[in-house]
Amino acid sequence: GENVEQHPSTLSVQEGDSAVIKCTYSDSASNYFPWYKQELGKRPQLIIDIRSNVGEKKDQRIAVTLNKTAKHFSLHITETQPEDSAVYFCAARSTKEYGNKLVFGAGTILRVKS
Amino acid sequence: DAMVIQNPRYQVTQFGKPVTLSCSQTLNHNVMYWYQQKSSQAPKLLFHYYDKDFNNEADTPDNFQSRRPNTSFCFLDIRSPGLGDAAMYLCATSRGGVRGNQPQHFGDGTRLSIL
Repeated sequence: GENVEQHPSTLSVQEGDSAVIKCTYSDSASNYFPWYKQELGKRPQLIIDIRSNVGEKKDQRIAVTLNKTAKHFSLHITETQPEDSAVYFCAARSTKEYGNKLVFGAGTILRVKS
Repeated sequence: DAMVIQNPRYQVTQFGKPVTLSCSQTLNHNVMYWYQQKSSQAPKLLFHYYDKDFNNEADTPDNFQSRRPNTSFCFLDIRSPGLGDAAMYLCATSRGGVRGNQPQHFGDGTRLSIL
């Protein structure tokens, strides 16, 4: 089945700097890649997603890039703010699975220091 | 407005005492999921319903069952909770479809504690 690896496991940046989180996946037929932000004790919240027919997508300070050949995708957060501190999960939709099953990465703890 | 609603937010039960967690949605999505999330880990899919079709993950213990009486509601039943079942339980919904590339929307979760 699909396997998603996420790096780094923790990331500390200074407020205003950029943060980059990378994920690799194993199923070359995977076609959907969401990113979720989860604050402590709260639900995972979809912040951006990308489909396999697109190489890059941007929403204000957040962008995601997808390299299908290399089977990796990355989350870029610019001008980080303290409220960006959270756990971020990448995921990939496995085409080998029935329905819309997502396989999650292990998560990245992002700390933005003010 | 909350679109995926989980009740209760916190549930305490005794070791071995059956417990039911509930999830409702106002999105009219045809797919509903139950995840288990333990501290510092990614959500782990237990099972999902695609319309009325139930799909169990291979490693989901038999102790966990689910019911979906209609489009809007889905229940997670834990027949005999053990200490290892203490976790956050997350419900999510999405549209279905051939391509399956639709976002999943999560509820706020139910934190289950076992005494």
